[in-house]
Amino acid sequence: ETGVTQSPTHLIKTRGQQVTLRCSSQSGHNTVSWYQQALGQGPQFIFQYYREEENGRGNFPPRFSGLQFPNYSSELNVNALELDDSALYLCASSVGNTGELFFGEGSRLTVL
Amino acid sequence: QKEVEQNSGPLSVPEGAIASLNCTYSDRGSQSFFWYRQYSGKSPELIMFIYSNGDKEDGRFTAQLNKASQYVSLLIRDSQPSDSATYLCAVKPMFSGGYNKLIFGAGTRLAVHP
Repeated sequence: ETGVTQSPTHLIKTRGQQVTLRCSSQSGHNTVSWYQQALGQGPQFIFQYYREEENGRGNFPPRFSGLQFPNYSSELNVNALELDDSALYLCASSVGNTGELFFGEGSRLTVL
Repeated sequence: QKEVEQNSGPLSVPEGAIASLNCTYSDRGSQSFFWYRQYSGKSPELIMFIYSNGDKEDGRFTAQLNKASQYVSLLIRDSQPSDSATYLCAVKPMFSGGYNKLIFGAGTRLAVHP
C-alpha cells in the first residue's frame, strides 16, 4: 500500500452532471498529481498541485479543475460530464518532481 | 507516432524464464524513465526507474536504457505467476521539468504460466 487514499472508489453519473473526487496523499508528500486512465490505455496526466496551486496541466479542458488543501490532500472536479469521461481517475503523491509517483487505488467513474 | 510505444501483448512466458518487455519513446530530450506494474483492477505501482544509459538492477528486475536508440526495456528474471500483470513504460518529457507529467505507454500484458 502506498498510503494514498482516494474516495469514492466507484461512482455512476449521468451526462451533464458534476463530480468531485478526493485524495489524501502519503505522509510527507507535498505534491499531488491527477491522471485519467481509460480502459486499455495508460494513464494520462491531468494536472499537478504543489503548495495549493496548480503548477502543471495536461491536455484537458477547463471543466477539469482541482484544489489542494494545506494538509496536501486534493480534489478533482469535473463539470458537464461527457460519456468519454468514463475512466479510472488516479491520484498520485510524490516529493518533488522526480516522476516517482505513488498512486492511490483510484476512483472509477462511469458516465451514462 | 505515439509518444511512448509498447507491444500490447500478451507476452506469455513459462515460470522461471526471463521476460523481456520493451518500450520506445519519441522525445529525444527525455531524461527519466520508469516502469510501473499494474495488476488487473488495481492502480500502477512503481517498480523501477532509470536515468542513465546502461543497465540498472534491482533484485529480479533489470532496466535497460539506450538514449541513442530511444529504447527502454525491462527484464524480469526467474518469472513467477505473481509477475502476471500489465507493465507500463513511462517517460518524463524534457519540457515537464517543473512537474510530474509522465507520458505512459498503453502497457504490455505479461502472463507467466506454471
